[in-house]
Amino acid sequence: DGGITQSPKYLFRKEGQNVTLSCEQNLNHDAMYWYRQDPGQGLRLIYYSQIVNDFQKGDIAEGYSVSREKKESFPLTVTSAQKNPTAFYLCASRSANRGQPQHFGDGTRLSIL
Amino acid sequence: AQRVTQPEKLLSVFKGAPVELKCNYSYSGSPELFWYVQYSRQRLQLLLRHISRESIKGFTADLNKGETSFHLKKPFAQEEDSAMYYCALSGGNYGQNFVFGPGTRLSVLP
Repeated sequence: DGGITQSPKYLFRKEGQNVTLSCEQNLNHDAMYWYRQDPGQGLRLIYYSQIVNDFQKGDIAEGYSVSREKKESFPLTVTSAQKNPTAFYLCASRSANRGQPQHFGDGTRLSIL
Repeated sequence: AQRVTQPEKLLSVFKGAPVELKCNYSYSGSPELFWYVQYSRQRLQLLLRHISRESIKGFTADLNKGETSFHLKKPFAQEEDSAMYYCALSGGNYGQNFVFGPGTRLSVLP
């Protein structure tokens, strides 16, 4: 969906460095999500936010942090504590109404130098 | 707890053959079920949802509450159907609890 923009498309991280992945949506969606996708492992939820200034840990939150200061933005920081950060990261958003699907961005591929 | 299972990691069929991608779920309430597709080098996109009872690209899926299943079917597979398919469940009062299955890679052979 053109309404969700992830940047950059490719990102390289040095050892001990924090990096931030951007996710912006103009769909006026309340909820936003971050997933990690590894080959053969499907989607794993990192963090999600259902409303501005509030977010919850997903299944694999360790080594990651997020903020939700604006409705349209949900940046993800991959900290140096994340020992295996190389992966494909997907951001999604959805309306708060029941029965609504998630809409995804194009993803960011993070690699370690 | 919500859970979605897709028993096949990889499914290979020949072009023109019927295809069925299995999805089973566990959820105590009334779930909303979805199928997503991810073609090579493209974003994950919604294929269909059970409340719409629609057919997209020849695919259909019926929610069977007795068997807690939401299998995806197509009578005649095409090579362009080769992709990764994810079944997903949305639960909670506002559908806020979204769970994805592990995915099935469909390979349609010529």
